[in-house]
This record gives sequence, structure tokens and C-alpha cells, in this order.
Amino acid sequence: TQLLEQSPQFLSIQEGENLTVYCNSSSVFSSLQWYRQEPGEGPVLLVTVVTGGEVKKLKRLTFQFGDARKDSSLHITAAQPGDTGLYLCAGRRGAGGTSYGKLTFGQGTILTVHP
Amino acid sequence: ETGVTQSPTHLIKTRGQQVTLRCSSQSGHNTVSWYQQALGQGPQFIFQYYREEENGRGNFPPRFSGLQFPNYSSELNVNALELDDSALYLCASSFTGADTQYFGPGTRLTVL
Repeated sequence: TQLLEQSPQFLSIQEGENLTVYCNSSSVFSSLQWYRQEPGEGPVLLVTVVTGGEVKKLKRLTFQFGDARKDSSLHITAAQPGDTGLYLCAGRRGAGGTSYGKLTFGQGTILTVHP
Repeated sequence: ETGVTQSPTHLIKTRGQQVTLRCSSQSGHNTVSWYQQALGQGPQFIFQYYREEENGRGNFPPRFSGLQFPNYSSELNVNALELDDSALYLCASSFTGADTQYFGPGTRLTVL
């Protein structure tokens, strides 16, 4: 059973287009993180959202945490070929200093941005 | 500051064999977590080690075991390998209380 459902699974767009990736769950998470993973490498943390309703912006990337802390979205404006990669959402349940290392990941969204 | 390193990069084993994967944590990090990432899937949490003790485990059978050493490096051992164990195995290190864990590049295990 996948606790975190990501959609879409695959996204193929042209450079300059906008896109949104969704991460949904029936469970409440203490916080949610987004990662980007490239072939042959481990995931790299992009952002952590903690508060329900929180919005964070990183240049052309906008992350939102749902009010009920069950869902999140990643919006990319004017996508570039360098944005190509696997995007993963990951939720943390529970508290405690070591809980950030016990993440539940979504299945990922493979984004391809064509020049 | 060195990042998280894993060895070997690739490994091919046959069903029923045993395998040991190694992870060297980022300097100063006292917590290491292991994840299994099947092809086309997100990583799945296997277990975490903190102060050389297992500190949480995902839905993986006992034939998956681990160790953390005083220098915070870690090993993942898998006994009686099955075909479904073929995956990318990732380790991630962090410092207690920090919200960021750093992943290594992974070990690609193929079980034939």
C-alpha cells in the first residue's frame, strides 16, 4: 500500500511550459519533503514544508503543503531542460530527532523537459 | 567535508547468496538510514541506525540486517537473496534533529 500517491507518474513537456506535480495521502504527516533524483545519484533535498498551508518558493519552484498536512504540490514555472529528473515527495510521521531519517516516499514523477 | 559514499557501485549475485553493502556517513553525522529503491519506484525505508543501535525498521524481513560502527559508517546485510531484492540500495546520513539527510549515490544490486 502506497501511503503517498504522486501524480502524474510521467510528464513530458516543452521548455518554457509550466507544470504541477501532486502528492496525496489519507494520512497526516508532521512534515513533507521534496527531492530530486538524477540517474546514478541519490535523491537531493529541495525543500521541507512543516506547517499546514505553508508555501515555499525556490526560484522557479513553488511548494505547497495542504492545510490538513495530507497533501502537497510542486509547481515549476517556465521549465528548463535542466529540470529533467525524478521528483519525489516524502513524508515524515511522528516526532523526535531521528524521525527525519524514517521517510515514506511517493513513487515519483519522471519529468522530461525538451529543448 | 566529504559526502556520503557507498560501495560497491554495482553488484551481481545469484539467488540464495548473501551480500554486504557499505556506507560511509558524512562527517559529523550520527544517524544512518537505509532505503531500497526498486526500478521505477520511490525509495522504501528499510531501517535506521543511531548510536550503533537499530532505531526503527520498515516492512522488511529479518534477513535484512545492519550494523553501525563507532565511526558512524554502516553496513547493510541481506541473506538468502531473492530475485525481488534486485534494486538500488541507498543510505542516507543525518545529524539528530536536523531535517536534512544526505543520500549516497547507491549500490545497484542485481540478483539472478
